[in-house]
Amino acid sequence: GAVVSQHPSWVICKSGTSVKIECRSLDFQATTMFWYRQFPKQSLMLMATSNEGSKATYEQGVEKDKFLINHASLTLSTLTVTSAHPEDSSFYICSARDADGRRGYTFGSGTRLTVV
Amino acid sequence: GENVEQHPSTLSVQEGDSAVIKCTYSDSASNYFPWYKQELGKRPQLIIDIRSNVGEKKDQRIAVTLNKTAKHFSLHITETQPEDSAVYFCAASSGNQFYFGTGTSLTVIP
Repeated sequence: GAVVSQHPSWVICKSGTSVKIECRSLDFQATTMFWYRQFPKQSLMLMATSNEGSKATYEQGVEKDKFLINHASLTLSTLTVTSAHPEDSSFYICSARDADGRRGYTFGSGTRLTVV
Repeated sequence: GENVEQHPSTLSVQEGDSAVIKCTYSDSASNYFPWYKQELGKRPQLIIDIRSNVGEKKDQRIAVTLNKTAKHFSLHITETQPEDSAVYFCAASSGNQFYFGTGTSLTVIP
């Protein structure tokens, strides 16, 4: 089946530093990648959608200069949280879709970010 | 973007009873409606999905119904068991958009 590998699974960083989260599709081409943030006991909130080779489309209220998304290849997308602050502490998870969507949506395992 | 509403936010049922969770969506372009079960801190697990060309789909104790005209879809779990206790999310997608509902915490009381 389709697999998306997400790293790191957890990270603790100091306030003001940047953190990069990677999602790799291992056995299919991730034409579209969705990035979500989930706070405790809340739903998965879509942050941005990226298509390979194009700029990401950000949801309203999500700062594109703070959450940098790169989707330069069909197997790799990254989310960089720049100048992280404690309020950015959350569970970040990606979901990948191939071109025709027949595989549905494949989720990464998520990244627990804690900013201290 | 798409607006997906989900009700109820919490649901308690006796073991063996049925549970129904309902979702509505706003974007008529949405054509794929999956349901997920999520454990704390883990990735969502797909339990059933339905595409817009189908009105109902069943997989053992789980069924999903879709009313495209009314833009709502529902998850039905029959003969509930304690291990069905979890948080469930609906989602709606048009291909380039993929939004989740607000979630339902289901508790099955033994």
